[in-house]
Amino acid sequence: AIQMTQSPSSLSASVGDRVTITCRTSQDIKNDLGWYQQKPGKAPKILIYTTSYLQSGVPSRFSGSGSGTDFTLTISSLQPEDFATYYCLQDYTYPLTFGQGTKVEIK
Amino acid sequence: QVQLRESGPGLVKPSETLSLTCTVSGGSISSYYWTWIRQSPGMGLEWIGYVYYTGSTNYNPSLNSRVTISVDTSQNQFSLNVNSVTAADTAVYYCVRRVTTKPMYCFDHWGPGILVTVSS
Repeated sequence: AIQMTQSPSSLSASVGDRVTITCRTSQDIKNDLGWYQQKPGKAPKILIYTTSYLQSGVPSRFSGSGSGTDFTLTISSLQPEDFATYYCLQDYTYPLTFGQGTKVEIK
Repeated sequence: QVQLRESGPGLVKPSETLSLTCTVSGGSISSYYWTWIRQSPGMGLEWIGYVYYTGSTNYNPSLNSRVTISVDTSQNQFSLNVNSVTAADTAVYYCVRRVTTKPMYCFDHWGPGILVTVSS
């Protein structure tokens, strides 16, 4: 199975900060990577698919980039509702695998 | 608006079979890959497997062939069975719709999740 290494595992940031989360895969997955946001007690929600496509209804402050084995999720200006845990998912080959998550907390 | 909801027992005894059903409303179960994902503190998010509306399946090898996923298109439901459960199978189980229409490959609709505890 493809191994996913997400970093950092947690971070503290302030409203308005620019936040970057990275995901590294153990083999080339082209651009088949998505990002999900999860709030406590809720199911994950798709933010970005196929590396950089923004899901309908997701604010434009979220963006994704990368290819091959290195990917990035960027929040350009952190908002109060963005404090959550973020997961990457490789959608390239079965079994599909998730990163271990990055918890974004209020500084 | 498509909605998914898991149902089934919240408590299962060790060595028995965990059985869950997902009911899909607001849309047809025909087309799409219908998926089960679970989340436990120790393992994070884990993809369990999918059933296509035709009945074809694909499972995570990590579950050692203990898993069966099936679909009932007449009821707009799909189901998960995990046999010979242990405490390691304790998790929140999500039923999820997967879209595979280029370039959109993602899990776009999720059920709220159901906590299943394995304990005697």
